[in-house]
Amino acid sequence: AQSVTQPDIHITVSEGASLELRCNYSYGATPYLFWYVQSPGQGLQLLLKYFSGDTLVQGIKGFEAEFKRSQSSFNLRKPSVHWSDAAEYFCAVGRAGTASKLTFGTGTRLQVTL
Amino acid sequence: NAGVTQTPKFQVLKTGQSMTLQCAQDMNHEYMSWYRQDPGMGLRLIHYSVGAGITDQGEVPNGYNVSRSTTEDFPLRLLSAAPSQTSVYFCASSPTGLQGANVLTFGAGSRLTVL
Repeated sequence: AQSVTQPDIHITVSEGASLELRCNYSYGATPYLFWYVQSPGQGLQLLLKYFSGDTLVQGIKGFEAEFKRSQSSFNLRKPSVHWSDAAEYFCAVGRAGTASKLTFGTGTRLQVTL
Repeated sequence: NAGVTQTPKFQVLKTGQSMTLQCAQDMNHEYMSWYRQDPGMGLRLIHYSVGAGITDQGEVPNGYNVSRSTTEDFPLRLLSAAPSQTSVYFCASSPTGLQGANVLTFGAGSRLTVL
C-alpha cells in the first residue's frame, strides 16, 4: 500500500525567507505526486504535480518541487515566502490506473512571521 | 463554471440522526470521491465512483453510503450519525485518463458536528 509522510507538523518562517517542506512517499512503482494547499476554512488547491520526466516541477504561486527517486522524496520549495503563503500544505501520492484516489500526508502548517 | 459544489457548508446533528451531504460538479468529470479531514490525520478516502452507477469503498467507508445516479451528482449519506463522524468532508472530482484521473478538483468542504 502506498503511504505519504510529512515529518514537519508545523513550520514558522519569516517573510522573505526561503521555504522547504518535506514529503516522503512509499510506493513500489513510479508514483504520481502532488502538493495541495489549504487556506483556513477553504478547500484544497493544487499547487503542482509530477507524473514523469523532468524531476523539477514548477507550480503556481512561485512554488516548485523536486522528485528524488533515490530518497523517495518530493519536497516543496519556495525561494521567498510571502505572508499570504500561510496555510496548510498537503503532499499526496497517486498511481496510474486509479481514479480520484489519492493518499495524503498529514499536512504541514506554515506560519509566516512579518 | 462552478466546479465542485458542496452543500451544506455547516451542519450539526444529534447522535443517531441521518443526513445527506450533497456534491455536484459541472466539469463533466467521470470520477468522483469523498474524503474526510481530521486534525493530524490528513485526508482519508471514504468512497469513490468511476462513473454513473459504479461506486466502491475507500479507506474509511463504515457508517457512510453513496450512490451515483448521474455523472454530476455524488451524495454522501450518514445513516445513523455518531460523534466519531464529526469531521470536515470534501468532495472531489477528476477527469478520465491515466494521469488526469489523479488530478483532483475539490469542493469547499462541509463541516459536520455530531453531538
